Amino acid sequence: GEEVAQTPKHLVRGEGQKAKLYCAPIKGHSYVFWYQQVLKNEFKFLISFQNENVFDETGMPKERFSAKCLPNSPCSLEIQATKLEDSAVYFCASSVEARAPNEKLFFGSGTQLSVL
Amino acid sequence: AQKITQTQPGMFVQEKEAVTLDCTYDTSDPSYGLFWYKQPSSGEMIFLIYQGSYDQQNATEGRYSLNFQKARKSANLVISASQLGDSAMYFCAMRPRSGGSNYKLTFGKGTLLTVNP
Repeated sequence: GEEVAQTPKHLVRGEGQKAKLYCAPIKGHSYVFWYQQVLKNEFKFLISFQNENVFDETGMPKERFSAKCLPNSPCSLEIQATKLEDSAVYFCASSVEARAPNEKLFFGSGTQLSVL
Repeated sequence: AQKITQTQPGMFVQEKEAVTLDCTYDTSDPSYGLFWYKQPSSGEMIFLIYQGSYDQQNATEGRYSLNFQKARKSANLVISASQLGDSAMYFCAMRPRSGGSNYKLTFGKGTLLTVNP
């Protein structure tokens, strides 16, 4: 598709429950990034993929967060045993390449996760 | 490490006037891309404009232009003829091109623009 598609738009979970978010990058884009936005202004990098391979996972709280990008499937971000502090908007973004001239990063509309 | 500074937490502009949103950056990477995104109250991140560090000319996209001053490490966004629909949060971001940074986008903290009728 021509846009990054994220589902669901909203997700409500009780503390301790699992949450799974999905992202379909723009067709032909090799790089996928996940960001967490807390309080509407701070963006925290979580993980990136080059095709189906993890490229950088330095931002992931590995105890509870995991992510995958498998061929012919949407990418996914899963949070086991959610905590209140996981409440945030999770954005997925994709780009054709990592270097110019095709380095523009396009974002999905985000998933608002609320942990109660 | 990369750092983006947006010094204006909030800005007000009158409809139809121009406004400049400030952005300065700090990086040791010699090559990078600079971006501006708009985030309206509905929450989505809308790509506005892009400038490569080696681009000779300032980028323009419709009513948006990027005032790129490489020596000063600034990449200010200029919105001409403001419209009510321009009211939103605006984020400046940078993406280094060196492999060591893993091509991550670094964001500023944003500027909330309010357009008054």
